[in-house]
Amino acid sequence: TQLLEQSPQFLSIQEGENLTVYCNSSSVFSSLQWYRQEPGEGPVLLVTVVTGGEVKKLKRLTFQFGDARKDSSLHITAAQPGDTGLYLCAGPRWTSYDKVIFGPGTSLSVIP
Amino acid sequence: GAGVSQSPSNKVTEKGKDVELRCDPISGHTALYWYRQSLGQGLEFLIYFQGNSAPDKSGLPSDRFSAERTGGSVSTLTIQRTQQEDSAVYLCASSPDGAPEGYTFGSGTRLTVV
Repeated sequence: TQLLEQSPQFLSIQEGENLTVYCNSSSVFSSLQWYRQEPGEGPVLLVTVVTGGEVKKLKRLTFQFGDARKDSSLHITAAQPGDTGLYLCAGPRWTSYDKVIFGPGTSLSVIP
Repeated sequence: GAGVSQSPSNKVTEKGKDVELRCDPISGHTALYWYRQSLGQGLEFLIYFQGNSAPDKSGLPSDRFSAERTGGSVSTLTIQRTQQEDSAVYLCASSPDGAPEGYTFGSGTRLTVV
C-alpha cells in the first residue's frame, strides 16, 4: 500500500523564523506535489518535483525531492503570517498515474 | 468558468436525509475528482471521472455514496441516508488530462450531519 507520511503534524512559530516540514514514504513516487490549503479553501498547488535530488525554489520556499524519490521536504525561510495554512504533499499512485494520494498534512501557524 | 465551482459551500442536514453536492469543473478539463477531508485529516479519494471512460469508484466508502457526471462537465455527488460520520468537507478537483501536476480544486462543500 502506498502511503505518504508528513511531519510534524502541527507547527507554530514566530514570524521571521525558518522551518522545514517533511514528507516520507516507503514507496518510490514518479513525482511529488506540494499544496497549501487555507481555511475554507481547497488546496492550491505550489510545486511539482520530478527528478531525484531536485531542488526547486519559490520565493522563500525551497522544495527538495529525495535522491531515491521516496521523500521530500519543504523549507520556508523567514516565515510570514501569510504562510499559515495546511501543507499537503501528494503523489500519483503506482497503479493509476492519474490518481493521486495525499499525505495527512502539516498545519503551520505563523504568529506575528 | 475561471475556476472549479462547488455548491453549496455549506450544508447542514439531518441524519437519514439525502444530500446532493455539485461540482462545476474548469471548462475543457476532462478529468474530475471527488475527495473527502475530515477535520484535521488529509484528503481521501472518493471517485474519478476521465472523459467518456467508466468512472473509478474504488474510493466510495459505501453504497450510500454515488456520483455522476453529465455531458463530461458538471458532476453531482449524492449521499443517501446520511450518517454523522459523513460530516466532512467534500472537495472537487479537475485536471486537463489527468496528470497529477494539473489539479485545480474547488473551495469545497462543508457537510454537517446532525
